[in-house]
Parts: sequence; C-alpha cells; structure tokens
Amino acid sequence: GQQVMQIPQYQHVQEGEDFTTYCNSSTTLSNIQWYKQRPGGHPVFLIQLVKSGEVKKQKRLTFQFGEAKKNSSLHITATQTTDVGTYFCAGTNNDMRFGAGTRLTVKP
Amino acid sequence: GAVVSQHPSWVICKSGTSVKIECRSLDFQATTMFWYRQFPKQSLMLMATSNEGSKATYEQGVEKDKFLINHASLTLSTLTVTSAHPEDSSFYICSAYGTGGAYGYTFGSGTRLTVV
Repeated sequence: GQQVMQIPQYQHVQEGEDFTTYCNSSTTLSNIQWYKQRPGGHPVFLIQLVKSGEVKKQKRLTFQFGEAKKNSSLHITATQTTDVGTYFCAGTNNDMRFGAGTRLTVKP
Repeated sequence: GAVVSQHPSWVICKSGTSVKIECRSLDFQATTMFWYRQFPKQSLMLMATSNEGSKATYEQGVEKDKFLINHASLTLSTLTVTSAHPEDSSFYICSAYGTGGAYGYTFGSGTRLTVV
C-alpha cells in the first residue's frame, strides 16, 4: 500500500543554521501537506502543495513538491528557537498517509 | 522509533451501527492521545484529547456522546463512533504523546470510515 517515508527522524541544530526535512512516497500523490506540532500542542497545518514542481514560501520556510509528485521537502533558513517542534508531511493518494515526522530542536 | 498502531485502516459499516477504532502505542507509554478527523481536501481537525485514566476533553462542536473515547491504559486508546451515519464518513487519525523515550508526538496511520 501507499507509504510516506520522512527523514530524518531527529535534527538538532544551532540557532541560525538551516534545516531540511524530506518526504518520499511510494506512489504518486495528488497533494502533500505539511504540519508543525509544538511540544505540548497538536499539529498545525502549514501548507498544501498540489502542482508538480511547486515551490511555496512562508517567511523563512520553503516548501517544494517534486516533479514526479512523489517527494517533498521543507527547508527552514536561519532557524530560530521558535522553530522547535515536530514537522510532519502528509501525502494524499486515495487516503492521506503521514510521514513519521522530524523532530527539530534548536540550541540558542 | 516510536510507533502507534492504528486499526482498522479502513472500514465500511451500515448506517446505525457502531465502529471502534483502536490506537496502540507499541514501544512507549502514551500519556496523551489526540484524535483527529479529516474531510477531503481539508486539514486535520482535532476532535478530542484524552489522558490515561481520565475523561476526554472534546473540542467545541464535537458530540461526546457520539464519539466515545476511552483511554484506559497507557498503551491503548479507542474511539467509538456510535450510531454512525453517512456524514460521519471521514478519515480518523490518532496521535500519541508519551513518556519513556522522549519520542514526542507519533501519529497512527489513520482509519478511513465509510458509512453506507
């Protein structure tokens, strides 16, 4: 069945460094969503990508959807302590399947 | 890494019947479980939050008598959709937060419910 693999599982960075998390699907996706979950909170929707090769930006966050619509990435430029949390991708084919999440910690 | 096993992956039931969805944390203790539903092309909607051994806290607009949540142990939480109707057809997913491994939040794989 459809699977979404997300790496890395954990990432620890120094404040100001960049961060990237990657998702790969075993099947072509109709769309992919990204969520952020802060410690103690629930996942919050960040963005949805639909088009092949799509790139969207939200301030320091850049989201990409691959040409084959099987992979996606989230890149954060110059991380801040407020970026701490777990970032999930969720790919939709017939059903939505979530990646395992990447837990980001930022050292001030 | 931490794993939450959610079953069933999909279920089709007749209108008026009840359906139980289980989420089990396999290698950590889930002190808190979140239950979500998602309608097509929409983001996750938090339904309720449950802590082991206590009553669940439901989000506004979610019927607690219809969506019964039981979190009887640190490794198992269940969501029962009672007297299901076609409008309850949706994608339900749990997310567990636990201790014993500092794993943070782990999602189950989701359950597609279709009520006919």
